[in-house]
Amino acid sequence: NAGVTQTPKFRVLKTGQSMTLLCAQDMNHEYMYWYRQDPGMGLRLIHYSVGEGTTAKGEVPDGYNVSRLKKQNFLLGLESAAPSQTSVYFCASSYSPEGRATEAFFGQGTRLTVV
Amino acid sequence: TQLLEQSPQFLSIQEGENLTVYCNSSSVFSSLQWYRQEPGEGPVLLVTVVTGGEVKKLKRLTFQFGDARKDSSLHITAAQPGDTGLYLCAGERWGGGNKLTFGTGTQLKVEL
Repeated sequence: NAGVTQTPKFRVLKTGQSMTLLCAQDMNHEYMYWYRQDPGMGLRLIHYSVGEGTTAKGEVPDGYNVSRLKKQNFLLGLESAAPSQTSVYFCASSYSPEGRATEAFFGQGTRLTVV
Repeated sequence: TQLLEQSPQFLSIQEGENLTVYCNSSSVFSSLQWYRQEPGEGPVLLVTVVTGGEVKKLKRLTFQFGDARKDSSLHITAAQPGDTGLYLCAGERWGGGNKLTFGTGTQLKVEL
């Protein structure tokens, strides 16, 4: 059981380039999330999805787009990368039965450097 | 705006010492969780607390949810080098749409 898988694990981009980060989960979870992690700031939510075909903005959505065409996949796109987007990106998924707390399962992260 | 503030930000202690990490907010949460993250890995859930005043124990780790559901603490007894890592609290709010707000993190290093 792979859980949450992110690709790639590392990437270096030049300012202005575009790329897509891929996230796949095999737990049949409805909810998926993209976070970025920067020193001293914990994890900040970029975008999230409550189900196939739906997406919503999180805390820091500017400069990013997402798509969830299939339940198991959640894609994060950077159309024109900027140095401020240098960060470690984490994908997560969750399953929250009614009346129970949301518990997130994370991928291993993608370390992105924009030069 | 960071809704959850953790303290201390960094903690370096010797094996066998006790420590407490705090997670504070002015907001009320329906549940609060603690995660541990090791270098190069994603966070892994340690515990979820859902009732104000609740205390949960996981071996040498004790987690408490504040009575007002605005804060939480993590206490480690007799710390070991294997406890080294980044500890993150995360809160879920009622009507928050299954979203978690993460704290600023506490980097713990336990030395021999």
